[in-house]
Amino acid sequence: DIQMTQSPSTLSASVGDRVTITCRASQSISSWLAWYQQKPGKAPKLLIYKASSLESGVPSRFSGSGSGTEFTLTISSLQPDDFATYYCQQYNSWLLTFGGGTKVEIK
Amino acid sequence: QVQLVQSGAEVKKPGASVKVSCKASGYTFTSYDINWVRQATGQGLEWMGWMNPNSGNTGYAQKFQGRVTMTRNTSISTAYMELSSLRSEDTAVYYCASSPYCSGGSCYSGYDYWGQGTLVTVSS
Repeated sequence: DIQMTQSPSTLSASVGDRVTITCRASQSISSWLAWYQQKPGKAPKLLIYKASSLESGVPSRFSGSGSGTEFTLTISSLQPDDFATYYCQQYNSWLLTFGGGTKVEIK
Repeated sequence: QVQLVQSGAEVKKPGASVKVSCKASGYTFTSYDINWVRQATGQGLEWMGWMNPNSGNTGYAQKFQGRVTMTRNTSISTAYMELSSLRSEDTAVYYCASSPYCSGGSCYSGYDYWGQGTLVTVSS
């Protein structure tokens, strides 16, 4: 199975900050990576697919980059609605896996 | 609009089985795979497997092989996930999820559509 490692596990930031979350794959997954946002008690919401493609309706302050084994999710200017947990997911093969998650907290 | 509506919360004893349903609407049920993801309280997302509603083909994460069965009833556009030999560690919210870009076990995007989640509690 492909292992996905996210860092940091927790991040404290203020409104307006630029935030970057990293996801590393245990082997190359090309660009087959998605990012999700999850709020307490809710299902995850797709933000980014194919590493850098913004899902329809997602604010442009979210962006993704990377390929192979290293990926990043960047929030250019953190907004109050962005405090949540973020997960990466690889779909390079039919055995999909998620990263462990990054909780973005208010500083 | 696409909707996935799951069955209600369940409480089971250790060793029992649970069967969670996921009713799809707003699209042709046999067009997209149904995937299952679970989340223990305060923990991360864990992918369990996929099922193609057209063929019935499935793919399961190794961790759940032998304990999970994913099936469907196309006449009522409903997918099922059954987990057997339950233990306390299986206490979690179980989600079904799908995407127009996931079929036959191959995905070209993440999951656009999610059910509301079903809490399964395993307790003696």
